[in-house]
Amino acid sequence: NAGVTQTPKFQVLKTGQSMTLQCAQDMNHEYMSWYRQDPGMGLRLIHYSVGAGITDQGEVPNGYNVSRSTTEDFPLRLLSAAPSQTSVYFCASVGGGSSYNEQFFGPGTRLTVL
Amino acid sequence: AQKITQTQPGMFVQEKEAVTLDCTYDTSDQSYGLFWYKQPSSGEMIFLIYQGSYDEQNATEGRYSLNFQKARKSANLVISASQLGDSAMYFCAMTLSMGAGNKLTFGGGTRVLVKP
Repeated sequence: NAGVTQTPKFQVLKTGQSMTLQCAQDMNHEYMSWYRQDPGMGLRLIHYSVGAGITDQGEVPNGYNVSRSTTEDFPLRLLSAAPSQTSVYFCASVGGGSSYNEQFFGPGTRLTVL
Repeated sequence: AQKITQTQPGMFVQEKEAVTLDCTYDTSDQSYGLFWYKQPSSGEMIFLIYQGSYDEQNATEGRYSLNFQKARKSANLVISASQLGDSAMYFCAMTLSMGAGNKLTFGGGTRVLVKP
């Protein structure tokens, strides 16, 4: 299993540009989430999904869109990038049953918006 | 809304000694889960330990143990026999309801530096 994969690892955008951060997992997990981590801080929840076709907002959803057309993929779209969105973005998935309490995190995408 | 507080921004610990990282939480819910994660300088998030609010015994995972004091709303992480590889940021997190592991609220973190 590759676990949770994220692409790209690094990205530089200009203000106003849009882009999609990719996230995929091969563990057949129902639950997936996106977090952002600003320098010196903990992670904050952007959006999450409890299954294909079902998404909801987290703590800091403004400026981001998500969709979940398959169990495996959960892309995060930046609609019009702003310098305030400079951050490290983590995708995570969690399984059900006895492993529901363990999140598997991807390696992160470091985004800089100029 | 729930809140997690980690009051220790940074700590030094001598190799082979134990260290306790403080975490307090605030929620009015009865059902919740508490987590600790390690983030080394490479940046990845590593799951360490989990405690459910209804668990009667403190969770343990190898050298990690969680000192859960429900009445005080604290969930301190104890790392025994510290190793140089334990140098990292440590985050406490919680989720409301046992099955909501995909919706975590994180504290601000504690940086641990292990001295040889």
